[in-house]
Amino acid sequence: DTAVSQTPKYLVTQMGNDKSIKCEQNLGHDTMYWYKQDSKKFLKIMFSYNNKELIINETVPNRFSPKSPDKAHLNLHINSLELGDSAVYFCASSPPSGWGSGANVLTFGAGSRLTVL
Amino acid sequence: GQNIDQPTEMTATEGAIVQINCTYQTSGFNGLFWYQQHAGEAPTFLSYNVLDGLEEKGRFSSFLSRSKGYSYLLLKELQMKDSASYLCAAMDSNYQLIWGAGTKLIIKP
Repeated sequence: DTAVSQTPKYLVTQMGNDKSIKCEQNLGHDTMYWYKQDSKKFLKIMFSYNNKELIINETVPNRFSPKSPDKAHLNLHINSLELGDSAVYFCASSPPSGWGSGANVLTFGAGSRLTVL
Repeated sequence: GQNIDQPTEMTATEGAIVQINCTYQTSGFNGLFWYQQHAGEAPTFLSYNVLDGLEEKGRFSSFLSRSKGYSYLLLKELQMKDSASYLCAAMDSNYQLIWGAGTKLIIKP
């Protein structure tokens, strides 16, 4: 069973379109994240949700809107796609703080490579 | 500002030992992580240090010096499958991870 699964793995689309990436985790974790990894390989946090509530919202354009219907799912919707949005988007999750030293260890999904033409 | 520095690329020989260094500057500190990322794949957790000293896990060890803002990842008995990027990440006082750009490790036969 895949621990953190995200779909689609590859997404090619035109500028101006709207697209969504879905993420699900079956680890029982409380916290989920969206990261963007650009061509320079920096991992940048975009959003973090804890039990469906937004706790981190870094400086990203409001064209990006996360939605967490329950603590096992965190989807990312992107409106009016731009060329600069091309990147790999990683979903991740981490356990509750009561899980001791493992509390802050992230488990990542396989990534969704978005190409905007 | 908060910052992580690690070398962009390193090359080593199969069977040898390599040390990947990482220096960090963060607002507060709640630990240092190392992740491995093979090309086209997700980062996977390798180690976590919050106290000074060396943590050993098989062929991989990680060291931390809080006073120096310094960590290293030591890989022994290198195998071809160890060719990957190694990401250093420090956790600040707000429990947010600050990531380095990763060190691409190339293993040669």
